[in-house]
Amino acid sequence: AQTVTQSQPEMSVQEAETVTLSCTYDTSESDYYLFWYKQPPSRQMILVIRQEAYKQQNATENRFSVNFQKAAKSFSLKISDSQLGDAAMYFCAYRSRNTGNQFYFGTGTSLTVIP
Amino acid sequence: NAGVTQTPKFQVLKTGQSMTLQCAQDMNHEYMSWYRQDPGMGLRLIHYSVGAGITDQGEVPNGYNVSRSTTEDFPLRLLSAAPSQTSVYFCASSYSVPSGRVFFGEGSRLTVL
Repeated sequence: AQTVTQSQPEMSVQEAETVTLSCTYDTSESDYYLFWYKQPPSRQMILVIRQEAYKQQNATENRFSVNFQKAAKSFSLKISDSQLGDAAMYFCAYRSRNTGNQFYFGTGTSLTVIP
Repeated sequence: NAGVTQTPKFQVLKTGQSMTLQCAQDMNHEYMSWYRQDPGMGLRLIHYSVGAGITDQGEVPNGYNVSRSTTEDFPLRLLSAAPSQTSVYFCASSYSVPSGRVFFGEGSRLTVL
């Protein structure tokens, strides 16, 4: 089974600064999808960004971007110009393109934004 | 467009009681699933369904039953609740295409005393 590892249980960043959240994964597949989800205190799971493994270009969504290193099986999330509303738990997730149905989630990184 | 609706949002049970967590989606998604979220463990898949009449087990299925009689509904049943089932439960749905965006419900916090 695939595993997703987030080695940073907690991170903090000053407002307006940049922070990078780490994620590594283990898989024998070559085609898959990677995701970052945000979970604020409301518990709602919100999709932040998605990366398709067969695309070399790193995905970006406004202030959020990823550094996808396929050979290293690394998928980090960079948040630029951090805002107070970015404070949340962030989960990295893997989804196979072949089976397509099951998500594998990391254990999460709790991000604090300091005013 | 209601998206994914879970009920109840909070529930307290005594050991041995049974209950059903309801999940409904109005997006005609084929794929629906249930996850549980525990501190320090991320989300783990309990059961999933790829269409009406088809269900399968995920990573942590013991103690839970599901059924999928319609495309819209995917209830999760606890037949005899145990304290180990105290958790936050999420229902999710998507089209079966792997890249399709997954929609999550708001979560249900269950406490078993």
